[in-house]
Amino acid sequence: GENVEQHPSTLSVQEGDSAVIKCTYSDSASNYFPWYKQELGKRPQLIIDIRSNVGEKKDQRIAVTLNKTAKHFSLHITETQPEDSAVYFCAARVPGNTPLVFGKGTRLSVIA
Amino acid sequence: DAMVIQNPRYQVTQFGKPVTLSCSQTLNHNVMYWYQQKSSQAPKLLFHYYDKDFNNEADTPDNFQSRRPNTSFCFLDIRSPGLGDAAMYLCATSRDLVEGSYTFGSGTRLTVV
Repeated sequence: GENVEQHPSTLSVQEGDSAVIKCTYSDSASNYFPWYKQELGKRPQLIIDIRSNVGEKKDQRIAVTLNKTAKHFSLHITETQPEDSAVYFCAARVPGNTPLVFGKGTRLSVIA
Repeated sequence: DAMVIQNPRYQVTQFGKPVTLSCSQTLNHNVMYWYQQKSSQAPKLLFHYYDKDFNNEADTPDNFQSRRPNTSFCFLDIRSPGLGDAAMYLCATSRDLVEGSYTFGSGTRLTVV
């Protein structure tokens, strides 16, 4: 089955700097890659997703890139703010009747 | 704007005493999922329902059961909770298994004493 590895497990950045979180997946057939943000004590919320027919997607300060050849995808947050502090999970899904497989999460701390 | 609602938010149960967690949704999504999330770990899928079709993960203990009496509701039953079952339990929904975006509930934090 699909396996998703996520790095780093923790990340600290200064406010205003960029943060990058990387994930690799094992099944080359995977075609959907969402990113979820989970603030302390709250539900995971979808912040951006990408499908395998595109290489990059942007939404304001957040972008996701996908390299299908290398089977990895990354979340980029620019001009980080303290409210970006949270745990971020990547996930991947293989086509067919299969649920998402999540990475282990990255705890991002933005230091003011 | 809660569309996936989990009750209760916090649940304390005694070791070995059956407990039921509930999840309801107003999205009319076909798929409902139950995840177990322990501190600083990724959500771990326990099982999911596609409509009434139940799908159990291979490593989900028999101690965990689920019921989906209708489209809107799904229950997680823990028959004999152990200390290792203390966790956050997250319910999520999606329109179907092809459209992969999930909507999560706020979770139920289970404490076993």
